[in-house]
Amino acid sequence: QKEVEQDPGPLSVPEGAIVSLNCTYSNSAFQYFMWYRQYSRKGPELLMYTYSSGNKEDGRFTAQVDKSSKYISLFIRDSQPSDSATYLCAMSATGANNLFFGTGTRLTVIP
Amino acid sequence: EAGVTQSPTHLIKTRGQQATLRCSPISGHTSVYWYQQALGLGLQFLLWYDEGEERNRGNFPPRFSGRQFPNYSSELNVNALELEDSALYLCASRSLAGVGNEQFFGPGTRLTVL
Repeated sequence: QKEVEQDPGPLSVPEGAIVSLNCTYSNSAFQYFMWYRQYSRKGPELLMYTYSSGNKEDGRFTAQVDKSSKYISLFIRDSQPSDSATYLCAMSATGANNLFFGTGTRLTVIP
Repeated sequence: EAGVTQSPTHLIKTRGQQATLRCSPISGHTSVYWYQQALGLGLQFLLWYDEGEERNRGNFPPRFSGRQFPNYSSELNVNALELEDSALYLCASRSLAGVGNEQFFGPGTRLTVL
C-alpha cells in the first residue's frame, strides 16, 4: 500500500465550478500537509500548507485536514482556466523532513 | 527574492554514462532536497542535505549520490545511467528556521537516457 493515495483524474470542469481534490494516507505520524500546483514542464509551486487537523483558507483555495480519517482535501472556488494544472498533495511526519507525495490529479478548467 | 534554480534544463545522456545536476537554494535556506519525478510515479524522495551533510536518502541505489557545498548549493550525481533513470529531477529548499516543512521547488532538470 502506498503511503499517500491520490485520484489521478483527469478531472475536467467548466469555468466557475467548485473543484474538490482529495488524498488519503496511511501513516498516522503525518502532521504537515501541503498542496502543490504543477504546470506542464514546470516545478511544483506551493499552494497551501496546513499543520495537523483543521481548515485553512487563502483566497479561492481552502485546504482541509481530517486526521481521524487520514483524509485531506483542497477546494477551489470559482475555478479559472488558469487553474488548469496538476495538483499534488504532500505530507510529512513531525521531526521527519522528506515529503511523501501523491501521484497528482490533472485538472482542466474549460472556459 | 530569487527562487530555487537548477541547471541544466535538459540533459541527454546514453546508458552507462554519468550525469551531474546542479541546484542553488533560496538565499537563507540551508536544506536541499532532491526528488525524482518519473512518468506515472509521482515525486519520489532521493536525498536530503543540510549544512553540508547527507541527512537522509530515499530508496534509491548508491549510484545516486550528491553533495552540498559551503554556499548550500548542491549537486546530484547519477552514475552508470540506466534507461529508467529518465525523469524530471527536482530540487527543493527549505529553511530549518521555519516552523513547518514547506519546501520550495526549482523548475527541474529533465534527464533523458538513450
